[in-house]
Amino acid sequence: GAVVSQHPSWVICKSGTSVKIECRSLDFQATTMFWYRQFPKQSLMLMATSNEGSKATYEQGVEKDKFLINHASLTLSTLTVTSAHPEDSSFYICSAGDQGLAGGEQFFGPGTRLTVL
Amino acid sequence: DAKTTQPTSMDCAEGRAANLPCNHSTISGNEYVYWYRQIHSQGPQYIIHGLKNNETNEMASLIITEDRKSSTLILPHATLRDTAVYYCIVRAEYNFNKFYFGSGTKLNVKP
Repeated sequence: GAVVSQHPSWVICKSGTSVKIECRSLDFQATTMFWYRQFPKQSLMLMATSNEGSKATYEQGVEKDKFLINHASLTLSTLTVTSAHPEDSSFYICSAGDQGLAGGEQFFGPGTRLTVL
Repeated sequence: DAKTTQPTSMDCAEGRAANLPCNHSTISGNEYVYWYRQIHSQGPQYIIHGLKNNETNEMASLIITEDRKSSTLILPHATLRDTAVYYCIVRAEYNFNKFYFGSGTKLNVKP
């Protein structure tokens, strides 16, 4: 199947700093990518839809100024957590869909663990 | 919001079939049923999906009831490596490719 990568796989930062997470589709083009957040022992929560060449759309309750999304190319989307605080510590996962597959299968990245001190 | 309900956890003996149920009673006519699994601290892994007919691949089988209100994922010969959280997801009809995850089923495969 198609491969989605994330970088970094884990990051530790100080409170108040910003952190950028990259999501790449390695062997297919993705006009749409998705960002999820997962707290310990909880399910994945959809945060936003990243659209190539246009603004991201955010799920209800997700602060767009806090979580900046840029989808500058068909293979790269970035999530920037601005002014991170300890409550932003979480597992962030991206996914991308290969539009050529019937039914719209999504491929998930390995995740990025963010720890804010 | 998630449109599926699954048992919180299930146990299965190694080598036996694991049957994981999912209820999606409000599913719409053109919504697909997807199954993914997540092994601890990894991204979800695709298993199988279907619309109306039963499906089988090298990993599992998906049985969808005739009224489409429920489905069962079958792992024919569970191994210890199949221990994971299994998510049944119905793809939102008007939000192509958006997946809303429910709470999933933690499958514990025991020796």
